[in-house]
Amino acid sequence: SAVISQKPSRDICQRGTSLTIQCQVDSQVTMMFWYRQQPGQSLTLIATANQGSEATYESGFVIDKFPISRPNLTFSTLTVSNMSPEDSSIYLCSVDKEASYGYTFGSGTRLTVV
Amino acid sequence: TQLLEQSPQFLSIQEGENLTVYCNSSSVFSSLQWYRQEPGEGPVLLVTVVTGGEVKKLKRLTFQFGDARKDSSLHITAAQPGDTGLYLCARAAGNKLTFGGGTRVLVKP
Repeated sequence: SAVISQKPSRDICQRGTSLTIQCQVDSQVTMMFWYRQQPGQSLTLIATANQGSEATYESGFVIDKFPISRPNLTFSTLTVSNMSPEDSSIYLCSVDKEASYGYTFGSGTRLTVV
Repeated sequence: TQLLEQSPQFLSIQEGENLTVYCNSSSVFSSLQWYRQEPGEGPVLLVTVVTGGEVKKLKRLTFQFGDARKDSSLHITAAQPGDTGLYLCARAAGNKLTFGGGTRVLVKP
């Protein structure tokens, strides 16, 4: 299965600022996925990032708030813009490398907005 | 509204006890995945069930997929503190993975 490196692992940010989260995969993948996990909750898909095209956002998530870059087949970034305390969550990236391995997740970025 | 309903939301048991986690839906699934997430980590795949009525075993974990492929369960025998974590069922539709609400399991020594 793929190995994902995600950083930063955690950050405390001031409201109104932005944070960019990086996700690096050890092999080329077509799609990368970004999830949000609010405190004590399950995971919710934010968007799907394809190389060479605009990301596809799920209902309730917009590009202005969560811009995504996908410059190549092994890397993606998610920016959380104009943050508020409600954005305090764990953000995870994921790939589906091989069906038999399911989806592989990074360790997540724990974001606290103060 | 969760497409996948998990129950219970939280389980606290003593080491050595058994537990069962349920995942239900009104929709039929072609397959269902179970993940476990430990603090500070992303979810890790435990098993994928595909066939209605299927039973899969992974050491002390037993996974069942309902005959109608609308529900699934995870049973842990003689739970150990290392089984502590968030258990998530998930459905893959196209390339998207949709999770249930999760069951947080605490196994006390």
